[in-house]
Amino acid sequence: NAGVTQTPKFQVLKTGQSMTLQCAQDMNHEYMSWYRQDPGMGLRLIHYSVGAGITDQGEVPNGYNVSRSTTEDFPLRLLSAAPSQTSVYFCASSYSLWETNTGELFFGEGSRLTVL
Amino acid sequence: AQSVTQPDIHITVSEGASLELRCNYSYGATPYLFWYVQSPGQGLQLLLKYFSGDTLVQGIKGFEAEFKRSQSSFNLRKPSVHWSDAAEYFCAVGGNGYGNKLVFGAGTILRVKS
Repeated sequence: NAGVTQTPKFQVLKTGQSMTLQCAQDMNHEYMSWYRQDPGMGLRLIHYSVGAGITDQGEVPNGYNVSRSTTEDFPLRLLSAAPSQTSVYFCASSYSLWETNTGELFFGEGSRLTVL
Repeated sequence: AQSVTQPDIHITVSEGASLELRCNYSYGATPYLFWYVQSPGQGLQLLLKYFSGDTLVQGIKGFEAEFKRSQSSFNLRKPSVHWSDAAEYFCAVGGNGYGNKLVFGAGTILRVKS
């Protein structure tokens, strides 16, 4: 079982370029989210989705865009990359917000992005 | 607003010694509390969680944590550390009204001396 799959694992961009980080899960989870991890700051929530067609902003949404056209996929778009977006990005999923849930987030292995 | 503080950025313990990692949280309602572990270059794996009931919870890999409401703490413990426990540990808080949006602490890096 694949779980949460993120691609690419590594990416180098130049300032101003755009790109999409892909995230797919095969557990039929309704809830999906993107976090960024920076040294000494833990993980910070960028965007999240509680189901197909529904997205919302997290703590640090500026410069990022998301959409959720299917249950399985939740891509994160960087519209115009900036050096401040150099980070490790994690996609995470879980069962529905409104069910009696375990609250456990299942994480992908991360995507390391460097913006020059 | 909810927040998590992990006071120790780095901790070094000898193999076989006991371990306690500290976590303090701020949350307005009954919290859901989690500990995750991250090995280098990997994603995060759930060690244990507290939702309600017994305040001492057992997790995987021999870890346990105790929820103390009066101290707003959820410290992680292990009686005897193994070299393979070297990793970064994250405490996180969420809640019924907050759904699955977890707020994470900054993490504690554990080093194990042989």
